[in-house]
Amino acid sequence: DTGVSQDPRHKITKRGQNVTFRCDPISEHNRLYWYRQTLGQGPEFLTYFQNEAQLEKSRLLSDRFSAERPKGSFSTLEIQRTEQGDSAMYLCASSLVLSGSWETQYFGPGTRLLVL
Amino acid sequence: AQTVTQSQPEMSVQEAETVTLSCTYDTSENNYYLFWYKQPPSRQMILVIRQEAYKQQNATENRFSVNFQKAAKSFSLKISDSQLGDTAMYFCAFMKHNQAGTALIFGKGTTLSVSS
Repeated sequence: DTGVSQDPRHKITKRGQNVTFRCDPISEHNRLYWYRQTLGQGPEFLTYFQNEAQLEKSRLLSDRFSAERPKGSFSTLEIQRTEQGDSAMYLCASSLVLSGSWETQYFGPGTRLLVL
Repeated sequence: AQTVTQSQPEMSVQEAETVTLSCTYDTSENNYYLFWYKQPPSRQMILVIRQEAYKQQNATENRFSVNFQKAAKSFSLKISDSQLGDTAMYFCAFMKHNQAGTALIFGKGTTLSVSS
């Protein structure tokens, strides 16, 4: 068990460019979450997957954001036409939920995005 | 909607001393879970301790314990015998009991500094 990994760890881009982040969850975890964290704030929920199905999206997730988890394993988060307000840390978390048990989310190190 | 409030932006403590971080939350749910996560500088978020709302007994994990007051909607974290490695941002988080999956709702965090 190597934990949740995210790539890249840092990304600097110019306004208007597209960026894509990857998250590899803990093996066999069936749920995967994306959060956004701005400086000095707690993480805010963006979206989550149960296996390959995207089950919920926050109102924070504008049309420029899209997330996928094609085979129920890794996930990607793409931001199109980036804006300076997208600068933040993007966190991925995964969990394993079994019937009758409760859920604990384990977080990755995050991808820090800076939009110039 | 659920909210989580951490009223102490910053705290400091000497090594070996005890410190308590406060957290209050607002919800109309009866079944839910509460968590404390630790985020060291430039490192990933780690689960410190968790509590099920239907359990009256306060959770403990080594030097970490909580004081859960359901009626008051209060969930404070006590760190005993503080160590330099406890220096981090601490987030209180709430999760509804929902088998379909649910996001964590975080407070804004408390920055704890432990000095020698």
